[in-house]
Amino acid sequence: AQSVTQLGSHVSVSEGALVLLRCNYSSSVPPYLFWYVQYPNQGLQLLLKYTSAATLVKGINGFEAEFKKSETSFHLTKPSAHMSDAAEYFCAVSGAGSYQLTFGKGTKLSVIP
Amino acid sequence: DAGITQSPRHKVTETGTPVTLRCHQTENHRYMYWYRQDPGHGLRLIHYSYGVKDTDKGEVSDGYSVSRSKTEDFLLTLESATSSQTSVYFCAISESEAEAFFGQGTRLTVV
Repeated sequence: AQSVTQLGSHVSVSEGALVLLRCNYSSSVPPYLFWYVQYPNQGLQLLLKYTSAATLVKGINGFEAEFKKSETSFHLTKPSAHMSDAAEYFCAVSGAGSYQLTFGKGTKLSVIP
Repeated sequence: DAGITQSPRHKVTETGTPVTLRCHQTENHRYMYWYRQDPGHGLRLIHYSYGVKDTDKGEVSDGYSVSRSKTEDFLLTLESATSSQTSVYFCAISESEAEAFFGQGTRLTVV
């Protein structure tokens, strides 16, 4: 069975500071990994995804994530936080013949002016 | 944006009443899913479909049933709504392991 652990249910950063949201996964086979963002009262928007091509994946809004098989991690980063980045972020995994996504519990990002 | 429409977008219902949520897609994707989102739990899979009339249970299927009589429509039914089913429900579609597109969600309140 696949699982995802997001470390930290709430993360606060200052505007302009580095954003680092942590995600570790458990999967018996090479996974597909995703980061989604959810703004208040909205649906989920795909930020980026890893599908076994490049291990460093660039997404929208300046976010990127690095797949590290040895650490079973897929952490999300952004060099400089903007106020508009305040949202909830979800890491998810699929694969091993299972098309459904398994989600982490989410990390709410606050950006302090 | 992927063509996914959820209806209704908001609903308030009484305990014990049946409720049906609808997900309609225009992408002709084979796979459709229903998730519920609750604070501290992320999104959890309720049921999914891998084709017309082909459905299976997810992690939190108790109290829910689904039907898919056409490729484009996936219905989620709460036979007798309970307060624990107050949640935000999301429909998703996919055609492979490498993608999934989500609807805008339905906020259901059971009073």
